[in-house]
Amino acid sequence: AQSVAQPEDQVNVAEGNPLTVKCTYSVSGNPYLFWYVQYPNRGLQFLLKYITGDNLVKGSYGFEAEFNKSQTSFHLKKPSALVSDSALYFCAVRDLPGAGGASKIIFGSGTRLSIRP
Amino acid sequence: DTAVSQTPKYLVTQMGNDKSIKCEQNLGHDTMYWYKQDSKKFLKIMFSYNNKELIINETVPNRFSPKSPDKAHLNLHINSLELGDSAVYFCASSQGAHSNQPQHFGDGTRLSIL
Repeated sequence: AQSVAQPEDQVNVAEGNPLTVKCTYSVSGNPYLFWYVQYPNRGLQFLLKYITGDNLVKGSYGFEAEFNKSQTSFHLKKPSALVSDSALYFCAVRDLPGAGGASKIIFGSGTRLSIRP
Repeated sequence: DTAVSQTPKYLVTQMGNDKSIKCEQNLGHDTMYWYKQDSKKFLKIMFSYNNKELIINETVPNRFSPKSPDKAHLNLHINSLELGDSAVYFCASSQGAHSNQPQHFGDGTRLSIL
């Protein structure tokens, strides 16, 4: 089965500095990878995805992610952090389809991003 | 124009009771999901329906029974509520049972068992 790991429970960054939220994955075949953000008392919101093609994927709110096949990583990045970026971030991978052809998304454990003014 | 809406937003009830959570999506998607997020924020899928057919059924107590009356609705009924059922339950939808399309989430139902 596919799996995804987020090694950091919390990332602290000063406003204006670049930020990176790490994600590594384990898959069979070509992965479908996603990043979601969750603000307090809200559902998850889709940020970006990697399916195929360019290794650098651009998404919402100025975020981007770099797919690295050799390191099996899909780190989320932003050149200049904002206080409003403070939230919980989830990396996710699409699992392989089961017998019925359906597949589920497996989420990482989440990383809490805190941007200080 | 809420894309995925859940009701109620908060649910406080006593152990042993039966309760239902409703979900509706207006995105025209054919696949809907129920997730459970625990107090440590771990997110785990419970069920998924595609065109009203159950396609994913994780290891969930049979006290939990989903029902999809049509593609736009997915409800969750829970019998004999237990303390461990306290969590936030999220509904989501997407297009395709196995596709690269992202899922769209509701804002959750916060279930507290007294």
